[in-house]
Amino acid sequence: AQKITQTQPGMFVQEKEAVTLDCTYDTSDQSYGLFWYKQPSSGEMIFLIYQGSYDEQNATEGRYSLNFQKARKSANLVISASQLGDSAMYFCAMREGREYGNKLVFGAGTILRVKS
Amino acid sequence: NAGVMQNPRHLVRRRGQEARLRCSPMKGHSHVYWYRQLPEEGLKFMVYLQKENIIDESGMPKERFSAEFPKEGPSILRIQQVVRGDSAAYFCASLPGTHDEQFFGPGTRLTVL
Repeated sequence: AQKITQTQPGMFVQEKEAVTLDCTYDTSDQSYGLFWYKQPSSGEMIFLIYQGSYDEQNATEGRYSLNFQKARKSANLVISASQLGDSAMYFCAMREGREYGNKLVFGAGTILRVKS
Repeated sequence: NAGVMQNPRHLVRRRGQEARLRCSPMKGHSHVYWYRQLPEEGLKFMVYLQKENIIDESGMPKERFSAEFPKEGPSILRIQQVVRGDSAAYFCASLPGTHDEQFFGPGTRLTVL
């Protein structure tokens, strides 16, 4: 079974508008972490934001926020005021358990294109 | 503080040759992960190493692939007798052990002709 599901293969957004990238996850652990990474066309993996399963507040980092709905097992990424430079592939990932050494499991990704 | 370094960035091999991919973690990081990204897919875990130890190799193919992280020097992912299906981007990531974020290197793009 898929542990991380990103149902949107591709998304378009108008520059300066907000966009939500969906991510649902599956785990039986009570303790886990959720991550979003950006992969531009140059190929590197850029960390964007992290949400711990016990964090009561939704994580925010600048224009990025994570809409964490634990009961629904969803961790959607919201990008506000989209910029042309936001065009990239976006990956949701999960680490199960509290151990920092646990591997990340990635979704298949969503390609975001920002239109001017 | 330099980030995670990987070299080479691009590697071309013919079928049957060996590929050696190197990863130097960030200073002070003693945990290294290797992930593989096949074309049009997300990253998939291969192996987790600490200095001189393989902690989890559950994602490594059973044959031709090996990894090490010696006491001195970079971590090495070695692929023997490469086949076309090994063509992918290989990323390493390191972790300080005190934060949740895994810091990724720029990746090595392996092309097998």
